[in-house]
Amino acid sequence: EAQVTQNPRYLITVTGKKLTVTCSQNMNHEYMSWYRQDPGLGLRQIYYSMNVEVTDKGDVPEGYKVSRKEKRNFPLILESPSPNQTSLYFCASRAGGGETQYFGPGTRLLVL
Amino acid sequence: SQQGEEDPQALSIQEGENATMNCSYKTSINNLQWYRQNSGRGLVHLILIRSNEREKHSGRLRVTLDTSKKSSSLLITASRAADTASYFCATESTGSGNTGKLIFGQGTTLQVKP
Repeated sequence: EAQVTQNPRYLITVTGKKLTVTCSQNMNHEYMSWYRQDPGLGLRQIYYSMNVEVTDKGDVPEGYKVSRKEKRNFPLILESPSPNQTSLYFCASRAGGGETQYFGPGTRLLVL
Repeated sequence: SQQGEEDPQALSIQEGENATMNCSYKTSINNLQWYRQNSGRGLVHLILIRSNEREKHSGRLRVTLDTSKKSSSLLITASRAADTASYFCATESTGSGNTGKLIFGQGTTLQVKP
């Protein structure tokens, strides 16, 4: 089944404790991105990647890092999480010449 | 920035009725997409309409696009209780280059009563 998977789905952590949210897609898509969803602010793009080893900042990249060492994986790294990073995070992928983006199930993060 | 404005913010109807949601945007777009989200869960892609298209159908869904007014509408016909969800429009602007960035509206929360 074609899908985008994220892990973990739920995470509670404390300020400053590094964490990684994994994202994987099995559709051989070139393009992947991360969004966060916050009440009243909607979804905003954090980072995106056009292909392996090609990443760039979205609208709200502060406090986040990403890497794209393999085509299928695009982990989101929070080196020192803060409470304002409490949010619902979505990974998405799209074929290189495509238009439709496919979203993962979301990761709900709470930073205490 | 969030360029999509959706109207209404909330909609409550009876099963079997039609539901119409509207979306307005600010910039020139390549395409506009509609997504459904069930109660804070994942986003499910519903339908995509390109800037050179005016209307598109998919099952019980009908989407229209008016680029002169920078607006779109999503019509769900013969609604079911399972259609209860939040619906978002998302635009890919012509200025986004190859970033693939989608700009989402705030969403319309639809409740379909059995």
